[in-house]
Amino acid sequence: EVQLVQSGAEVKEPGESLKISCQGSGYSFIGYWIGWVRQMPGKGLEWMATIYPRDSQTKYSPSFQGQVTISADKSISFVYLQWSSLKTSDTAIYYCASARAGSYHFDLWGRGTLVTVSA
Amino acid sequence: QSALIQPATVSGSPGQSITISCTGTSSDVGAYDYVSWYQQHPGKAPKLMIYDVSNRPSGVSNRFSGSKSGNTASLTISGLQAEDEADYYCNSYTTTGGVSYVFGSGTEVTVL
Repeated sequence: EVQLVQSGAEVKEPGESLKISCQGSGYSFIGYWIGWVRQMPGKGLEWMATIYPRDSQTKYSPSFQGQVTISADKSISFVYLQWSSLKTSDTAIYYCASARAGSYHFDLWGRGTLVTVSA
Repeated sequence: QSALIQPATVSGSPGQSITISCTGTSSDVGAYDYVSWYQQHPGKAPKLMIYDVSNRPSGVSNRFSGSKSGNTASLTISGLQAEDEADYYCNSYTTTGGVSYVFGSGTEVTVL
């Protein structure tokens, strides 16, 4: 079965670092853009960043540029989202989603990773 | 880049048709035929329902249809069913301000 498998829920304190992951299962990331989408509690979807694992080309929303880092390891079909210093406002569900190169829609989504940042 | 504007709620009775609007600008919805729609049930991941304004992925009911006029895109659900009760988000590709994608504010669909 083709799917995106995300890492499990995280509970962190403000100021801590975090790296969450998204793995392609049943297909290769090659030829796809992989993006991260944030959903804060009770709120809507926000596009954060996308990466093209084939050449690690990245695009960031200005709202998230400098706040997070997206990276990929194409050899094992993993994409990551990383924070160096979490804030309580980073509490949210983070979804990874894929878009075939040349398309502009996310046709496959992971189940989401809940990140809770609390003192 | 502000979120695309959607009505907060839309409701209808079973069997009726409803339409959700998604208003953007000449830099996003009006500039590209790359509008997509996503359905999200509570506690679940979003699911692609419409792409490139009016195309349905395999497996999505033909009760769902999309269109666009100028800076406004629309999603129509015909023959409304209880299972259609969910949140719906539009999304548009854009190249303005370094942004690649912008989502709509989301619409809660209630089946009366």
